[in-house]
Amino acid sequence: EPEVTQTPSHQVTQMGQEVILHCVPISNHLYFYWYRQILGQKVEFLVSFYNNEISEKSEIFDDQFSVERPDGSNFTLKIRSTKLEDSAMYFCASGTGTGSSPLHFGNGTRLTVT
Amino acid sequence: SQKIEQNSEALNIQEGKTATLTCNYTNYSPAYLQWYRQDPGRGPVFLLLIRENEKEKRKERLKVTFDTTLKQSLFHITASQPADSATYLCALDSYSGGGADGLTFGKGTHLIIQP
Repeated sequence: EPEVTQTPSHQVTQMGQEVILHCVPISNHLYFYWYRQILGQKVEFLVSFYNNEISEKSEIFDDQFSVERPDGSNFTLKIRSTKLEDSAMYFCASGTGTGSSPLHFGNGTRLTVT
Repeated sequence: SQKIEQNSEALNIQEGKTATLTCNYTNYSPAYLQWYRQDPGRGPVFLLLIRENEKEKRKERLKVTFDTTLKQSLFHITASQPADSATYLCALDSYSGGGADGLTFGKGTHLIIQP
């Protein structure tokens, strides 16, 4: 069964550094998402992406965050200047249709900011 | 503000019994509701979706109900097994409109099935 893959599985970075998290969504999916989960807390929506542009974003997704689909297969999340509070598990997800369709999640990148 | 509550942080059930998990929401008018399973260190895995005009949905040992009057969904696992132990997440669409809406998740219920 096709799956969403995320790399790296764990990323350690120093405060103020830029990080890029990588995702390869399922190939025939059209809708792409990033979520994050701080340890012990709920999964939180960051941003959705459709037709090569951001469709919706949450309050968390401020100017420090950006997303890109540089080619036909990759979907990246960039954090320009990381803060300690950015430490979390970041999940990429993809789906075939609107929000009424199930989402397929990757297994996440654990970001640790020191 | 929109709020989702799941009945308890942890639920212990004896193997073979039915586990019932609750999801309550306020300040929402969701068109549908989804349930996911999350294992430690892994991403959520989709289980079931139920629409506002559906009262009940089943898949193998799983059953979901959706009561838009009570603003509540119940998630049942019958004949529970230790392998069912995981955190179960309730999720609603953030907006009533279309487009690539993000899901809003509850904090989850950690289900433990004891042999």
